[in-house]
Parts: sequence; C-alpha cells; structure tokens
Amino acid sequence: SAVISQKPSRDICQRGTSLTIQCQVDSQVTMMFWYRQQPGQSLTLIATANQGSEATYESGFVIDKFPISRPNLTFSTLTVSNLSPEDSSIYLCSVVSLGADTQYFGPGTRLTVL
Amino acid sequence: LAKTTQPISMDSYEGQEVNITCSHNNIATNDYITWYQQFPSQGPRFIIQGYKTKVTNEVASLFIPADRKSSTLSLPRVSLSDTAVYYCLVGDDYGGATNKLIFGTGTLLAVQP
Repeated sequence: SAVISQKPSRDICQRGTSLTIQCQVDSQVTMMFWYRQQPGQSLTLIATANQGSEATYESGFVIDKFPISRPNLTFSTLTVSNLSPEDSSIYLCSVVSLGADTQYFGPGTRLTVL
Repeated sequence: LAKTTQPISMDSYEGQEVNITCSHNNIATNDYITWYQQFPSQGPRFIIQGYKTKVTNEVASLFIPADRKSSTLSLPRVSLSDTAVYYCLVGDDYGGATNKLIFGTGTLLAVQP
C-alpha cells in the first residue's frame, strides 16, 4: 500500500486564522479524499481532490471554507479557513493507488482552535 | 449511497473469536464491502475487503451471504491490542472508478483480559 504522510501532525490555531494541511503520497494515486473526524465521532467526507481541477465537495462543505488543491498525482492540500472552535477535529486524507480499489488513510492532522 | 448499520459496541475477552455483523440492505451491484480498524488518534487501517462469499487474510475473515445485504467480520483469538473501532463500509461506484466511502458509526470493540 502507498505510504501517506500529513503535515502538520497537529496544530493549535487562533480563531479567525487558517490552517493548510498537506498530504503527500510516495507513489502516484488515482483518487485523493479529505475527511473530517470530530471528537468522538465517525469520519465525514469533505471532498474529493481532483488533479488539475476543482475539488468535488460533499453536502455541507463549501470551497470558501475548505479550499483544496491537487497539483499532481502525489500531493494535495486542504485549507481550513476562518477557523472557529467548531473546526477542532482530526483531518485525514485518503488515497487510492493506481490499479487498486482500496482506500488507504493518512495518519491525520489534529487541529485545535482556541 | 448504501447505508450501513452495525452495533455501537461489543465486549470480548482475550483469546475469543469476535464476529461483528453489519447490515447494508441497499447495497448496489457494483459495491464492495470494506472493513477498517481505527485506534484513537490514528487514521483508519484497512482490514479486509470482499464482494461475495468468504474472504480471508492474515488478520481476519469476511463472510458475505448470497444476497449481500449483510456481512460479518470475524477476528480470531482477539488480544487486548484489538481494542478499537471497526467500520463497515460499502462503496459508491462511479462508472467503475473507485469508491467514495461513507463512514457509519462503527463498532467499538473492547477486549478484556
């Protein structure tokens, strides 16, 4: 399976600021996704990161709040904008490798907003 | 999108076999069934995936009846380190492309000594 890294692993941010999370994969992948996991909850899909085009967002998530980039087949970023304490969550990227049909998840980024 | 239903929690003891059943009555023809394990503060870890009948790997077995409306994850001889949340998911197929996974509540398995 692909080796997935996320940066930062955790951060504490002030209300009103933004945080950009990076997801790097060690091999080319076909699909990349971003999830949010609020404390004590299951994972919620935010969007599909599309290479070279705008991300596809799930209901309840908008580009202005969660802008996503995917400039190539191994890298994506998720920005959480205008932070509020409700954004405190773990954010995870997941990928599907070329020729595979299984999603693998990164280690997650723990965000705390004060 | 197919919805899954699984028990919120289960208890077991070390050395026992644990079976976690998941219902997915609206599973589509092209959907696969995938199980993940998640420890606190970590990303979900892939356990097993299947389409029908039985699949076995070094970690678990997955039993899927002919109607595919449910599936059972079987963990042989659990240990304390198997205490985790287990998620059952079915994928939404996009014309043969890989699945967009929608997570349900998961099952918290607590293994006691």
